[in-house]
Amino acid sequence: EPEVTQTPSHQVTQMGQEVILRCVPISNHLYFYWYRQILGQKVEFLVSFYNNEISEKSEIFDDQFSVERPDGSNFTLKIRSTKLEDSAMYFCATKTSGQLYNEQFFGPGTRLTVL
Amino acid sequence: EDKVVQSPLSLVVHEGDTVTLNCSYEVTNFRSLLWYKQEKKAPTFLFMLTSSGIEKKSGRLSSILDKKELFSILNITATQTGDSAIYLCAVEARNAGNMLTFGGGTRLMVKP
Repeated sequence: EPEVTQTPSHQVTQMGQEVILRCVPISNHLYFYWYRQILGQKVEFLVSFYNNEISEKSEIFDDQFSVERPDGSNFTLKIRSTKLEDSAMYFCATKTSGQLYNEQFFGPGTRLTVL
Repeated sequence: EDKVVQSPLSLVVHEGDTVTLNCSYEVTNFRSLLWYKQEKKAPTFLFMLTSSGIEKKSGRLSSILDKKELFSILNITATQTGDSAIYLCAVEARNAGNMLTFGGGTRLMVKP
């Protein structure tokens, strides 16, 4: 069964460093999302991406964050200058279409630890 | 602000018991409600509900939506230890991104 994959599974970084989290969507999916889950808290929406542009973003997704599809397959989330409060599990999710009712498929997540 | 509230926060039952998990929501542009199961990492999809009163069923799990009263329930009958997980309710918005707003989850523990 096709699945969303994410790398790395765990990233440890120093405060102020840049990190790039990678996601490989399911092949025929067109809508891409990033969510995060701080330990013990709710899953929170960060950003949605369609047709090579951001379609929606939350207040969390400030200027320190960016997304792109550099090669038409990978979907990346970059955090330019990490803060301690960025420590969380980051989930990529994808779905086929925005028109039909279909679910978002989640990847296994990247655990980001900022020291 | 969109809000999704789940209850109870946690639940401990014994194998064979039946459980009912609740999800209420206040969302500006409702499109659908989804249930996910989260064991170790990624949420895995269970159900998507778009219409009131139509029960979705998969094995021992079933779910129904009430769009008038703005809630959904997830039932699990004859629970097994493998049902132990966090169950997440999420509401999909009817907007450009179809983002999901999640509830805090219900942690279910099924004891042998």
